[in-house]
Amino acid sequence: AQTVTQSQPEMSVQEAETVTLSCTYDTSESNYYLFWYKQPPSRQMILVIRQEAYKQQNATENRFSVNFQKAAKSFSLKISDSQLGDTAMYFCAFMMLSGAGSYQLTFGKGTKLSVIP
Amino acid sequence: DTAVSQTPKYLVTQMGNDKSIKCEQNLGHDTMYWYKQDSKKFLKIMFSYNNKELIINETVPNRFSPKSPDKAHLNLHINSLELGDSAVYFCASSHAGGTGDFGPGTRLTVT
Repeated sequence: AQTVTQSQPEMSVQEAETVTLSCTYDTSESNYYLFWYKQPPSRQMILVIRQEAYKQQNATENRFSVNFQKAAKSFSLKISDSQLGDTAMYFCAFMMLSGAGSYQLTFGKGTKLSVIP
Repeated sequence: DTAVSQTPKYLVTQMGNDKSIKCEQNLGHDTMYWYKQDSKKFLKIMFSYNNKELIINETVPNRFSPKSPDKAHLNLHINSLELGDSAVYFCASSHAGGTGDFGPGTRLTVT
């Protein structure tokens, strides 16, 4: 079974600063996908960034980037120029094929990020 | 145009009742899911379903049953509700290897 570990239950960052959220995972598979989701107080799950395991290049989406270390099974999220609207729970997630064409997500326990004005 | 929609968004009911949560997706995805988010914000898969197979998380009580009238809908029926069922339930959908697109969630409160 796959597991996803987020070792930082809570973090805070000053507005305009940079913060890195950690995520490690455990799998014996070679083909999979990794995601970071954001859940603001509205509780909507919002996809932040996605990484395919077969791609060596780290994914980037505007102020969000990842450091994907496949051998170390590490997938950290860096948020640059933090904004107040980045305050949310952040979930790292792992996805792979799971029987009969079904892809399900395995989530970490989340990191609560607070951006301080 | 909402991609994944759920109704209701809030549901308050008493112990022992039977309730349903509806989910619809207009993304043309093949697979739909139900996730449960507990009071500690932990998200866990309950079911995944496509037109071929229903995969059930073995930890889910059999009081929970998904029903799919067609490819775009996956409803969640819950019988004999218990206090511990209080949580936020998310419907999601995906295509092969795609991102999981989530609905807005249904906050279920059992009193």
